[in-house]
Amino acid sequence: DTAVSQTPKYLVTQMGNDKSIKCEQNLGHDTMYWYKQDSKKFLKIMFSYNNKELIINETVPNRFSPKSPDKAHLNLHINSLELGDSAVYFCASSLIAGGPRETQYFGPGTRLLVL
Amino acid sequence: GENVEQHPSTLSVQEGDSAVIKCTYSDSASNYFPWYKQELGKGPQLIIDIRSNVGEKKDQRIAVTLNKTAKHFSLHITETQPEDSAVYFCAASNTGNQFYFGTGTSLTVIP
Repeated sequence: DTAVSQTPKYLVTQMGNDKSIKCEQNLGHDTMYWYKQDSKKFLKIMFSYNNKELIINETVPNRFSPKSPDKAHLNLHINSLELGDSAVYFCASSLIAGGPRETQYFGPGTRLLVL
Repeated sequence: GENVEQHPSTLSVQEGDSAVIKCTYSDSASNYFPWYKQELGKGPQLIIDIRSNVGEKKDQRIAVTLNKTAKHFSLHITETQPEDSAVYFCAASNTGNQFYFGTGTSLTVIP
């Protein structure tokens, strides 16, 4: 009955590799997000999708490519991983983008370590 | 864009005491201010939120106050318990599409 789930929970990989993180929400929400949390716990939004359409794309290297096959899924693919990509990546969802019901629900996070 | 500052970065209180965390924001168009609690190894969880048409909101031991003129809002936790120990984040939003998070406050409640 997990609301927002992410896989994998932990990811350890070598520099230069390509990896993907998957996110699924079963809340019936229209909007999904990817956040990066660095070692100092700072949370920064990377992408936001509303009904499979990209609505927010912060200044993120184009090695990061989100994909939303349907509104319940938002995956994050990372090419040519770098040491600085090591962080915790959180997926989140909200009922609608904007308006009074925009509370975001976060997944458990994916801890990425690039060696 | 919006800039949210949060203080203090760390806070230790004795069990039973109150804890206060303060945030300021820069964009006067921001109208939604949630607070999230992040326990070790978990994602942030919403604990309380407030909208710009309200000055204060309370939910049991947790309260949030908002001063739109001064552009600051605060989280108050009374009668703290060890299970309140976590990292707390404030955030500000003006459209709901994008949240700007504060830098977090690591709260430790000492039994």
